[in-house]
Amino acid sequence: DIQMTQSPPALSASVGDRVSITCQASEDVQNYLNWYHQRPGKAPKLLIYDASNLEKGVPSRFSGSGSGTDFTFTITSLQPEDLGTFYCQQYSGLPLTFGQGTTLDLK
Amino acid sequence: EMQLLESGGGLVQPGGSLRLSCAASGFTFNTFAMSWVRQAPGKGLEWVSAVSGRGDTTYYVDSVRGRFTISRDNSKNTLYLQMTSLRAEDTAVYFCAKFRGYSLKDFHFWGQGTRVTVSS
Repeated sequence: DIQMTQSPPALSASVGDRVSITCQASEDVQNYLNWYHQRPGKAPKLLIYDASNLEKGVPSRFSGSGSGTDFTFTITSLQPEDLGTFYCQQYSGLPLTFGQGTTLDLK
Repeated sequence: EMQLLESGGGLVQPGGSLRLSCAASGFTFNTFAMSWVRQAPGKGLEWVSAVSGRGDTTYYVDSVRGRFTISRDNSKNTLYLQMTSLRAEDTAVYFCAKFRGYSLKDFHFWGQGTRVTVSS
């Protein structure tokens, strides 16, 4: 199985801050990498697909980059509604696997 | 507007069975692969199973293979997950999710989930 490791596991930031999360795959997944946001008690929502493509309707303050084994997810100006947990997910091989999540809260 | 509405969750004893359903609307159901993803209490997301648009190809994570069966009825726009030999570690919220297309790539849209608790 392909293991996905996110860093950091948790972080606190202020409104307007730039925030970055990294995701490392245990083997090359090319650009077969997606990012999701889950607010507490809600279903996850797709934000970024194929490592760097912004899903339709998702604010442009979200972005993704990387390929191979190392990926980065960035929020350029944190908003209050961004609190929750962010997950990366690979689809290079089965089983489909997620990172363990990065929980973001507001200072 | 796309909708996925899960049902069938509940409390079941270890070794018991349960069938989850996911009613889909707002898109052409039979042209999209579908999936179940679960989330144990306080934990992260775990992919469980997926099925092709026609229902003729299925996929499972090793921990449920042989115990869970995914299926779909395209005439009813409904996805199912038959769960047998349930274990405490199967306790989770189970989400129904639609893929972007026929391939298993990104979970494009999610239902709100149904809770399954396995306990005596």
